[in-house]
Amino acid sequence: AQKVTQAQTEISVVEKEDVTLDCVYETRDTTYYLFWYKQPPSGELVFLIRRNSFDEQNEISGRYSWNFQKSTSSFNFTITASQVVDSAVYFCALSEGANDYKLSFGAGTTVTVRA
Amino acid sequence: DAGVIQSPRHEVTEMGQEVTLRCKPISGHNSLFWYRQTMMRGLELLIYFNNNVPIDDSGMPEDRFSAKMPNASFSTLKIQPSEPRDSAVYFCASSLEAERDQFFGPGTRLTVL
Repeated sequence: AQKVTQAQTEISVVEKEDVTLDCVYETRDTTYYLFWYKQPPSGELVFLIRRNSFDEQNEISGRYSWNFQKSTSSFNFTITASQVVDSAVYFCALSEGANDYKLSFGAGTTVTVRA
Repeated sequence: DAGVIQSPRHEVTEMGQEVTLRCKPISGHNSLFWYRQTMMRGLELLIYFNNNVPIDDSGMPEDRFSAKMPNASFSTLKIQPSEPRDSAVYFCASSLEAERDQFFGPGTRLTVL
């Protein structure tokens, strides 16, 4: 079963629009960690954020913000005032358990920001 | 500081040949991960090491794949013999066990003809 679901395959926006990427996860562990990674056209994977299951506080970093809701098993990511440089594939990932470090990735959402 | 280093960046080989991918983790990191990315299967973990010891190799496709970590600063992923379906981008990542944030190398794009 898919542990991380990113239902949006592709999103296209015009520069300066906001874009929200959905991530729904599934786990039976009470301790788990959620991540977002960015993969620009150049191909590398860039770490953006990690949240643990005991910290539901939302986070803002510049134009990026994350909304973690355990009640709906979601960890959504919003880019405010998008820019062309935000064009990339964004992956949500899950690490389950206190002693397991492997990441299970979602299928990714391709974001295209048009000038 | 240098990030995770992978070599080669690109590899083209013929079916049946042996392929060795190399990874140097970030200095001081004690966990190392090998992932594979394909269009069909996305990003999937192959194996990970903690303090040079393989912890979980359940993602290794079959006996043709093997991975080693002889010391804290070097790991290899070997495919022997290679097959066209092994064509993919192979990523190495490293992390500090206590922090969990995995930092990825640039990847090796493998093409098996």
